[in-house]
Amino acid sequence: SAVISQKPSRDICQRGTSLTIQCQVDSQVTMMFWYRQQPGQSLTLIATANQGSEATYESGFVIDKFPISRPNLTFSTLTVSNMSPEDSSIYLCSVVGEATVHEQFFGPGTRLTVL
Amino acid sequence: GEDVEQSLFLSVREGDSSVINCTYTDSSSTYLYWYKQEPGAGLQLLTYIFSNMDMKQDQRLTVLLNKKDKHLSLRIADTQTGDSAIYFCAESMGYSTLTFGKGTMLLVSP
Repeated sequence: SAVISQKPSRDICQRGTSLTIQCQVDSQVTMMFWYRQQPGQSLTLIATANQGSEATYESGFVIDKFPISRPNLTFSTLTVSNMSPEDSSIYLCSVVGEATVHEQFFGPGTRLTVL
Repeated sequence: GEDVEQSLFLSVREGDSSVINCTYTDSSSTYLYWYKQEPGAGLQLLTYIFSNMDMKQDQRLTVLLNKKDKHLSLRIADTQTGDSAIYFCAESMGYSTLTFGKGTMLLVSP
């Protein structure tokens, strides 16, 4: 399975500011995703991070609020822009295994609290 | 639309078997997954089953799939305190996008 790391692991931010979350994978992967897990809730897909092109966003999520970069096959960033307390969540990146495309592995998550 | 439902909470004694249930609505689901999330941690893929199977066993874990009723279960044999976590059921049509249930919190008491 892929080893995924995220930075920061947690942060406390003021409303109106922005935070960029990094996701690093130990091998090249084609498919990489960003999910949000709001307190006590399940995971919701934000977008698919596409290498070399714009991310594909799910309904309810927009690029201005959650810009995503994917400069290569091992790295991606998610920015949470102009934050409000409602953005307090755990943000997780995930990748699909190259050898077993039906397995999706998750990073440890970034726990964000917005005051 | 796609929907995955789970019971929210399960409490068992150490050494007993745990059974966590899940129902889904999308009949075109191809793969069904179980993930484990320990406190403060990310999601760990426990196991998954292809929709043309009705059972999969992996050590202490047994997954049963009733495709007709769209019902999935995860049985953990000889449950240990280290199994205490939130267990998420998820489904996919094979395009990598996962739809998750809200998770079942399993509490194992000594």
